[in-house]
Amino acid sequence: SQTIHQWPATLVQPVGSPLSLECTVEGTSNPNLYWYRQAAGRGLQLLFYSVGIGQISSEVPQNLSASRPQDRQFILSSKKLLLSDSGFYLCAWSQGTSGGYTFGSGTRLTVV
Amino acid sequence: AQSVTQLDSQVPVFEEAPVELRCNYSSSVSVYLFWYVQYPNQGLQLLLKYLSGSTLVESINGFEAEFNKSQTSFHLRKPSVHISDTAEYFCAVSVGYNKLIFGAGTRLAVHP
Repeated sequence: SQTIHQWPATLVQPVGSPLSLECTVEGTSNPNLYWYRQAAGRGLQLLFYSVGIGQISSEVPQNLSASRPQDRQFILSSKKLLLSDSGFYLCAWSQGTSGGYTFGSGTRLTVV
Repeated sequence: AQSVTQLDSQVPVFEEAPVELRCNYSSSVSVYLFWYVQYPNQGLQLLLKYLSGSTLVESINGFEAEFNKSQTSFHLRKPSVHISDTAEYFCAVSVGYNKLIFGAGTRLAVHP
């Protein structure tokens, strides 16, 4: 069966520090991969999605970047965090949209 | 462009009462529709989905949703809610092959 792993679960980082969040999927190949951010009291904002290795689409201009070095690995990064980067970050995968997305358990990032 | 509107940001209800969470979408093409549930500090879980066929779809825990093409709606209902149904619920619509667009969410609070 397919599983998705996302870590860490919580993270507290100072302003200006780097960030690396990792997401891996098991039990499937060539998945579509997604990074979402959920700010307090707001809905889900799609940050990046990828349909294959090295293929990244950015949805909004921001302080973050994403990479897909392997088929089932998706990394969210920042060189210098801002206070506004705080939020709940969710990774998800899909095989087309008819099955919907399967989400990871999320990372709570607090920038202080 | 497709969009999703969840008409209520919060819905308070007493235990064992019926509930309806409203979702309207806009799209000029056929779509897939989804409801997700999110418990505190967790990722989203797929509750039910409409792809084609019968316009009434059901989940294993008593929720149902009805696709209404003429009203472009996909409202979620449950005839009798439990305390454990307290969570945030997200409606989503497919956008092409690879992406879902999510509504802003409805926070369901079930009171004893």
